[in-house]
Amino acid sequence: DTGVSQDPRHKITKRGQNVTFRCDPISEHNRLYWYRQTLGQGPEFLTYFQNEAQLEKSRLLSDRFSAERPKGSFSTLEIQRTEQGDSAMYLCASSETTGGRRETQYFGPGTRLLVL
Amino acid sequence: GIQVEQSPPDLILQEGANSTLRCNFSDSVNNLQWFHQNPWGQLINLFYIPSGTKQNGRLSATTVATERYSLLYISSSQTTDSGVYFCAVELAAGNKLTFGGGTRVLVKP
Repeated sequence: DTGVSQDPRHKITKRGQNVTFRCDPISEHNRLYWYRQTLGQGPEFLTYFQNEAQLEKSRLLSDRFSAERPKGSFSTLEIQRTEQGDSAMYLCASSETTGGRRETQYFGPGTRLLVL
Repeated sequence: GIQVEQSPPDLILQEGANSTLRCNFSDSVNNLQWFHQNPWGQLINLFYIPSGTKQNGRLSATTVATERYSLLYISSSQTTDSGVYFCAVELAAGNKLTFGGGTRVLVKP
């Protein structure tokens, strides 16, 4: 068990540019979640996948945001035409469902995005 | 949506002191987790505790689901306990964690 990994750990970009983040969940975890955390706040849910299916999206996820998990393993989160308000920590988590029961979510180290 | 409130928002402790952090939530939940966020932003799992009491070293947690609150106890605090403590809940029919605003803890030597 190597834990949830995220790449890159830090990203600085200029307003209007596109950025893509990657998340590798704990192996064999079938659920993968994306959250966003702004300074001084708790994380907020963005979207989640069960295997390759995206099952829920928050209203926070505007049309500039897209997430994929093409083979049910790693996931990518892309932000198009970044805005300064997108500056935040983007957190990925994974969990395993056992017989319909959802288990503990484990979080990665996050990707810290700064939009200039 | 469900409301999650944590108190106190800030806590300053002298090393060796004990403390209690509280988490209130507004609806029935399927899951409750406590996390410690270190200065680098990593969320570290402390407890998965939808009900009952658990202990892990100097930390323990109790959730009273029928009264919609959970408590995190820190005993004999150490400077390494500093950071932000979050509770997060998952609704009975939901699939995501809803976080409280956190309790910022500073343990002074």
